[in-house]
Amino acid sequence: KQEVTQIPAALSVPEGENLVLNCSFTDSAIYNLQWFRQDPGKGLTSLLLIQSSQREQTSGRLNASLDKSSGRSTLYIAASQPGDSATYLCAIAGNMLTFGGGTRLMVKP
Amino acid sequence: DTGVSQDPRHKITKRGQNVTFRCDPISEHNRLYWYRQTLGQGPEFLTYFQNEAQLEKSRLLSDRFSAERPKGSFSTLEIQRTEQGDSAMYLCASSLAAPGAGDNEQFFGPGTRLTVL
Repeated sequence: KQEVTQIPAALSVPEGENLVLNCSFTDSAIYNLQWFRQDPGKGLTSLLLIQSSQREQTSGRLNASLDKSSGRSTLYIAASQPGDSATYLCAIAGNMLTFGGGTRLMVKP
Repeated sequence: DTGVSQDPRHKITKRGQNVTFRCDPISEHNRLYWYRQTLGQGPEFLTYFQNEAQLEKSRLLSDRFSAERPKGSFSTLEIQRTEQGDSAMYLCASSLAAPGAGDNEQFFGPGTRLTVL
């Protein structure tokens, strides 16, 4: 059974910092990995999808990497802004998505 | 708006009542998923459909829960005899995937927040 862990559970940083969110998973037999953003009380917004055969994906200030052999993914956020404050979830795709518990990010002005 | 839509957005009910939620996926998507999310946790898989066929159900989906996707388009999730422990956000997602193949990107709706008093 796939298990997904996200560290840290919560993070507070000043505006402008570069930061890294971590995701680890136990079963390397995955189809892809998705990173999502969730604002309080809202649904999930897809940020990046990395296919199993890929090593990384980039979108604007976001960069996600995937290392299947070690069961790890990282989400790098450059030059953080207060508007980045949200919960970030990673999810591993088999027949369905298995989610980590999320990292709650607060970016202070 | 051609995204995933869910109705209602909020539902407050009394324990023991039945509730039904609806999800309309992105029109060309053949897969539809239901997840449940409790406060402070990541979403947990409940069930999914490929077209009208329900292919997998989680152990979380007790016999009080039933989901349908009768024409391979919209889906409904019904909870019978609701309990306080059913209070959660119910999320629907859809994707386009080849039969038997791994999944592509899933797109989520805004969710239905259920409160059972």
